[in-house]
Amino acid sequence: SQQGEEDPQALSIQEGENATMNCSYKTSINNLQWYRQNSGRGLVHLILIRSNEREKHSGRLRVTLDTSKKSSSLLITASRAADTASYFCATDGTGRRALTFGSGTRLQVQP
Amino acid sequence: EAQVTQNPRYLITVTGKKLTVTCSQNMNHEYMSWYRQDPGLGLRQIYYSMNVEVTDKGDVPEGYKVSRKEKRNFPLILESPSPNQTSLYFCASRDLAGVDTQYFGPGTRLTVL
Repeated sequence: SQQGEEDPQALSIQEGENATMNCSYKTSINNLQWYRQNSGRGLVHLILIRSNEREKHSGRLRVTLDTSKKSSSLLITASRAADTASYFCATDGTGRRALTFGSGTRLQVQP
Repeated sequence: EAQVTQNPRYLITVTGKKLTVTCSQNMNHEYMSWYRQDPGLGLRQIYYSMNVEVTDKGDVPEGYKVSRKEKRNFPLILESPSPNQTSLYFCASRDLAGVDTQYFGPGTRLTVL
């Protein structure tokens, strides 16, 4: 079952602009993670935010988490053409330690 | 280099012909998992393993088998593949005691005719 749902499904911006992607989820989580996937390739872990954290930074990435709204956002600042990829949020719940992925946001950064 | 490897990377086969996709990790992770990725559906978990000889079903286990005889290997077996199993498959591993990050293999693109 899909837990995380990303919004928008697709986003096209110019190089240098900021890109914001949102993720909503349904149940309680231990943490929420963002992954990047270049076309048809494997997933690369970008950043993890725990349920007791509200904001986290890593380079040009900024992630926020609002557990009361069950939502998270990923901000990529000063985007580059190389940021073109699909971005997935994944929630880490309990029990079988599986990550539950959303369907992703496809980001296109125009040079 | 820490990595998860999968083989083959690409496979075209016919309905009913048994196949195995191998997965191996060199990080001594206890937990390993298989996902399939389909357009518009994100990644869905097929099977997972918490340790050697411990496996369990994920969200979409029908038509698949797994085994975990060694810690580093977690093969995915399709006894009688069908066209609806055409998909992109990912193996992943994680350290249960440490950081929660999952490490993904490069993917296996399977087409069942």
